[in-house]
Amino acid sequence: SQTIHQWPATLVQPVGSPLSLECTVEGTSNPNLYWYRQAAGRGLQLLFYSVGIGQISSEVPQNLSASRPQDRQFILSSKKLLLSDSGFYLCAWRKTPTWGANSPLHFGNGTRLTVT
Amino acid sequence: AQSVTQLDSQVPVFEEAPVELRCNYSSSVSVYLFWYVQYPNQGLQLLLKYLSGSTLVKGINGFEAEFNKSQTSFHLRKPSVHISDTAEYFCAVRGGAQKLVFGQGTRLTINP
Repeated sequence: SQTIHQWPATLVQPVGSPLSLECTVEGTSNPNLYWYRQAAGRGLQLLFYSVGIGQISSEVPQNLSASRPQDRQFILSSKKLLLSDSGFYLCAWRKTPTWGANSPLHFGNGTRLTVT
Repeated sequence: AQSVTQLDSQVPVFEEAPVELRCNYSSSVSVYLFWYVQYPNQGLQLLLKYLSGSTLVKGINGFEAEFNKSQTSFHLRKPSVHISDTAEYFCAVRGGAQKLVFGQGTRLTINP
């Protein structure tokens, strides 16, 4: 069966510090991968998605970047965090459209980031 | 562009009462709809999905939803809720070949 791992679960970082959140998927190959952010009291905002190694699509201009160095690894980064980067970050995967065009997203347990 | 509107940000109900969480969508492509549940400090879990066929979709934990094309709605229902149903619920619509677009969420609170 497929599993998704996301870490760390919680993180407190000072303004101006770098960020690296990691997400890995097991039990599948060539998944579509996603980073969402959920700010307090708000819905989910899609930040980045990737359909393959090295392929990153950015949905909103921001202080963050994403990379996919391996097929089942997705990393969210920042060189200098802002207060507004605080939130709950969720990684998700789904089967690629050729396998299941209507397949749902499967989410990790999230990382709660507090920038102080 | 595709969008989702969840009409209620918070819904309080008593235990064993019925509940309906409302969702309206806008889509210019084939409509695929989803409901997800999020328990505190966790990721989202799929409750049910509508892809095609019967407009009444049954999901996990006793939830069901009805796709209404004329009203562009996909409301979530449960005939009798439990304390354990306390969570945030998200409606989502396919937003293109690769993406889902989520609503703002509805916080369901079950009172004893």
